[in-house]
Amino acid sequence: SAVISQKPSRDICQRGTSLTIQCQVDSQVTMMFWYRQQPGQSLTLIATANQGSEATYESGFVIDKFPISRPNLTFSTLTVSNMSPEDSSIYLCSATTGVGGGELFFGEGSRLTVL
Amino acid sequence: AQSVTQLDSQVPVFEEAPVELRCNYSSSVSVYLFWYVQYPNQGLQLLLKYLSGSTLVKGINGFEAEFNKSQTSFHLRKPSVHISDTAEYFCAVSEGGTNKLIFGTGTLLAVQP
Repeated sequence: SAVISQKPSRDICQRGTSLTIQCQVDSQVTMMFWYRQQPGQSLTLIATANQGSEATYESGFVIDKFPISRPNLTFSTLTVSNMSPEDSSIYLCSATTGVGGGELFFGEGSRLTVL
Repeated sequence: AQSVTQLDSQVPVFEEAPVELRCNYSSSVSVYLFWYVQYPNQGLQLLLKYLSGSTLVKGINGFEAEFNKSQTSFHLRKPSVHISDTAEYFCAVSEGGTNKLIFGTGTLLAVQP
């Protein structure tokens, strides 16, 4: 299994600012992902965080808005840039230690409110 | 492209009654199927998963699900629910061989005394 810690757990931000969310896993994992959960909605995959290289973004998400880093096997960051109220969401880090079909572990999420 | 449909946004049920949460998926290739639970103000936790083999899958907390390929369904069931089962339940699918999960919109199971 893997325990995932995210910081901050919640924050209130001003429009136009940027915030970086950190994700730390307690063991080496094969893959890490970032999801967004907008109020009352399901989880949407933002991108796959690739170790040592650029993240792979899903349709509708771009690097300029959501830059992601993954410098090693256990750590990743997601930045939400130039925030607007529409970015108010829970951002979830997830990771797996297996290959296809392996369990995806989730952090408790970072709840961002943009004023 | 894959997609997941959870037909019920909310399912109210009395304690000790049985419950079924419905999930249908669409995919052109073989898939892995998952059910996750999200308790209030907590992260997601895996309930059970189907990769291959027996179509009836048993998970934690007394839940089980049945994979039906012909109906492209993966409904979640529990014979007798408890108040503590009140949570949001998400069905998810990944194409065989990948770890990218596509989630349904979730079903809120509201257990009443």
